[in-house]
Amino acid sequence: SAVISQKPSRDICQRGTSLTIQCQVDSQVTMMFWYRQQPGQSLTLIATANQGSEATYESGFVIDKFPISRPNLTFSTLTVSNMSPEDSSIYLCSVRTGLANEKLFFGSGTQLSVL
Amino acid sequence: DAKTTQPNSMESNEEEPVHLPCNHSTISGTDYIHWYRQLPSQGPEYVIHGLTSNVNNRMASLAIAEDRKSSTLILHRATLRDAAVYYCILRDWLVSYDKVIFGPGTSLSVIP
Repeated sequence: SAVISQKPSRDICQRGTSLTIQCQVDSQVTMMFWYRQQPGQSLTLIATANQGSEATYESGFVIDKFPISRPNLTFSTLTVSNMSPEDSSIYLCSVRTGLANEKLFFGSGTQLSVL
Repeated sequence: DAKTTQPNSMESNEEEPVHLPCNHSTISGTDYIHWYRQLPSQGPEYVIHGLTSNVNNRMASLAIAEDRKSSTLILHRATLRDAAVYYCILRDWLVSYDKVIFGPGTSLSVIP
């Protein structure tokens, strides 16, 4: 199993600023992912955070807007840059602890509101 | 990616069984069927998964059709705490760096 601490749990930000979200896991994990969940919608995968190398982004998401770091096997950050009201969403960190097909664990999310 | 189809919403009375269907007609031989649920204001949590045989755990049961083109998540006795969005997802166990793509899921309401 894995326990995920995601910070901050919520924030209200001004347009044009940036916010960095942290994801800390209590054990080493094989894979880390970042998702976005817009109000009333399902989860959308932003990127896979790769340890020691650049993240792998899904279609529609770019590094300049959502820079991701993963310096080790237990920690990752997602930055939402130059925010606009359209970025208001819940951002979720997810991890996989073992081989392919192993269950995923999720953080409780960061509720972001951009004014 | 193989896709799944679920009803948008379902209702159940408290303490009655709930059968949540999922269609996956393009499933491949190496796809596992996974179920997750997302309670209000929380991240998703794992419920159950299976390949061919029916599976049971403390949370639910998973019934898989013989042709594997559909499956059903069974909550044996719904409680108010089971009100959540339930996601049916296919995952290929041969893919080392698999990424999990969520569909719209089924929003389950439990009526007291």
